[in-house]
Amino acid sequence: EADIYQTPRYLVIGTGKKITLECSQTMGHDKMYWYQQDPGMELHLIHYSYGVNSTEKGDLSSESTVSRIRTEHFPLTLESARPSHTSQYLCASSETGGGNQPQHFGDGTRLSIL
Amino acid sequence: GEDVEQSLFLSVREGDSSVINCTYTDSSSTYLYWYKQEPGAGLQLLTYIFSNMDMKQDQRLTVLLNKKDKHLSLRIADTQTGDSAIYFCAENPPGGYQKVTFGTGTKLQVIP
Repeated sequence: EADIYQTPRYLVIGTGKKITLECSQTMGHDKMYWYQQDPGMELHLIHYSYGVNSTEKGDLSSESTVSRIRTEHFPLTLESARPSHTSQYLCASSETGGGNQPQHFGDGTRLSIL
Repeated sequence: GEDVEQSLFLSVREGDSSVINCTYTDSSSTYLYWYKQEPGAGLQLLTYIFSNMDMKQDQRLTVLLNKKDKHLSLRIADTQTGDSAIYFCAENPPGGYQKVTFGTGTKLQVIP
């Protein structure tokens, strides 16, 4: 069973604050991902990682940054939040390899910047 | 990147069958997935099909794959109000370092 956790679930915060969205998984997956999802439904990949000390930018440009110091942990940070960062952020993980590698998702963090 | 297209919206009556369609562009994809997203939640893996299969059935769910037309469909039999959600298809290219590409999502509304 998938075990991937995101905190907080909801965050309402003022402009200019530094924010860190947490994501942890207990499955030992090497690959981890961050997606941004707006009410228009489509998922946009903003960051991903192949393993410890690996971070890559995704298809959608984002002002956020990520780190991967431990396999199970992939936090996303916004140094200075702006209203344009208001969105839902989804974290996912998957196994490495060329076979069946479905992504397992957390329940997301809904972020509102005032 | 490759585009995976879906229709935006589908409305069906409770008890009817639902068919959600998806077209993909990477003919080398090995696995194709269907995910379900309920309001306020992440994506949940529903089912998958390997590219050498034409059909896979899992209880009320039937997946059809037409590799020639690069067309994937998900049929939900006896659709229930609990099936109301957004459904995403996704393709997984071969190799360990390729990224999964998600479709644009189809919102299924089930009318009681």
